[in-house]
Amino acid sequence: QQQVKQSPQSLIVQKGGISIINCAYENTAFDYFPWYQQFPGKGPALLIAIRPDVSEKKEGRFTISFNKSAKQFSLHIMDSQPGDSATYFCAASRTRNQFYFGTGTSLTVIP
Amino acid sequence: GAGVSQSPSNKVTEKGKDVELRCDPISGHTALYWYRQSLGQGLEFLIYFQGNSAPDKSGLPSDRFSAERTGGSVSTLTIQRTQQEDSAVYLCASSLSGVGDTQYFGPGTRLTVL
Repeated sequence: QQQVKQSPQSLIVQKGGISIINCAYENTAFDYFPWYQQFPGKGPALLIAIRPDVSEKKEGRFTISFNKSAKQFSLHIMDSQPGDSATYFCAASRTRNQFYFGTGTSLTVIP
Repeated sequence: GAGVSQSPSNKVTEKGKDVELRCDPISGHTALYWYRQSLGQGLEFLIYFQGNSAPDKSGLPSDRFSAERTGGSVSTLTIQRTQQEDSAVYLCASSLSGVGDTQYFGPGTRLTVL
C-alpha cells in the first residue's frame, strides 16, 4: 500500500516556467514532509521540508504548500531552470525514523 | 567533509548467490538507514539503526535480507539467495542523531540479479 501518492510521474516545463509536483497522504499522524532532489547516479538530497503547523514554506525558488485538511502538499519551483532537471521525491514521516516516499517525478526543464 | 559512501557502486550477480553491500556513514552520525529504490517505485524503507539500540527491521521484505552495523559506524546489508526481483538500487543514508535530523544519502549500489 502506497502511503504517499505522488503526481505527475513526469513533467516537462519551459525555462522560466513554474513546475508543480503534488503529493497526497492518508495517515494523519504524519508530522514531517520533506522533498528530495535526485540527479542521475546520485543519492537523493534534501531540498526543503515542512511541518503541518504551517501552510507554506519558501526557500529561494522552491516553495512547499501544505493543505492539512485535504492531506495534500505540493512543491512549486519558480523560474524553473535546466539545472533543476532531476527526479523529485516527496516523503512523509511520523517518528522520523521511518520515511514513506512517493514514487518520484522526473522533471525536465527545456531551455 | 566526506559524505556517505557505498560500495560497490554496481553489482551483477547470478540468481541464488549471496551479496553484501557496504555503507560508510558520515563520521559522527549515529543514525543509519537502508532503502531500496526500484524503477517507478520510489524509495522503500528497509532498516534503521540508531546508536546502540535494537534496529528497526520492519521494512525488510523477507528473511533473506539482513543488515549489521559494526561499532556504530559501517553497515553491511546482506541479501541471501538473491532473486531477480531483488534487482534495484540500494541506498544508504545517515543522520546526526536520527529523530528530526536531515538524512544524507550515499550514491547507492545498483544490484542486478541475472
